[in-house]
Amino acid sequence: AQSVTQLGSHVSVSEGALVLLRCNYSSSVPPYLFWYVQYPNQGLQLLLKYTTGATLVKGINGFEAEFKKSETSFHLTKPSAHMSDAAEYFCAVIGQAGTALIFGKGTTLSVSS
Amino acid sequence: DSGVTQTPKHLITATGQRVTLRCSPRSGDLSVYWYQQSLDQGLQFLIQYYNGEERAKGNILERFSAQQFPDLHSELNLSSLELGDSALYFCASSTPRGGEETQYFGPGTRLLVL
Repeated sequence: AQSVTQLGSHVSVSEGALVLLRCNYSSSVPPYLFWYVQYPNQGLQLLLKYTTGATLVKGINGFEAEFKKSETSFHLTKPSAHMSDAAEYFCAVIGQAGTALIFGKGTTLSVSS
Repeated sequence: DSGVTQTPKHLITATGQRVTLRCSPRSGDLSVYWYQQSLDQGLQFLIQYYNGEERAKGNILERFSAQQFPDLHSELNLSSLELGDSALYFCASSTPRGGEETQYFGPGTRLLVL
């Protein structure tokens, strides 16, 4: 069965610092992987996704993630944090046999000035 | 704006009651998914409908049911409500593409059971 583990429920960075949010997955089939962001009192918005092809995926708002099969990881990064990046971030996996998203428990990103 | 709409935005009710949450998918999307977000369980998949037919079931309680109508909007019915049903309920929609599709989420309905 597919599952997702997000290491660190809370990450704090300074404005301008590197953002690194960790995600490891477990899947019995080649995974489709997603990162979603949730701003306070809003729904989830897709940041980026990996399905096939290039393992380095670029998303919106300057975020990118790299699919590493050998490490079963899909970590999310952004070179320089902005105050507006403060939100909750969810990593999710979907197996090729199914369509429902399986989410990690989320990581809250705080950005200080 | 994802194009997915959900009503109502907030709902306060009492234990034992029944409520209906409504979702309108993005134009052209045939699949609708329901998810529950709670502090203790996180984001959990409940159920999926595709073009009016139930396609997949997740951790949905027997007290909960859903349907998708011919105009593709969907309703999630929650009955015999318990305090633990208090949560944020999201609807998402997509156009199936063998798993590669993006699910677009609505703003959610926040349910509080007192």
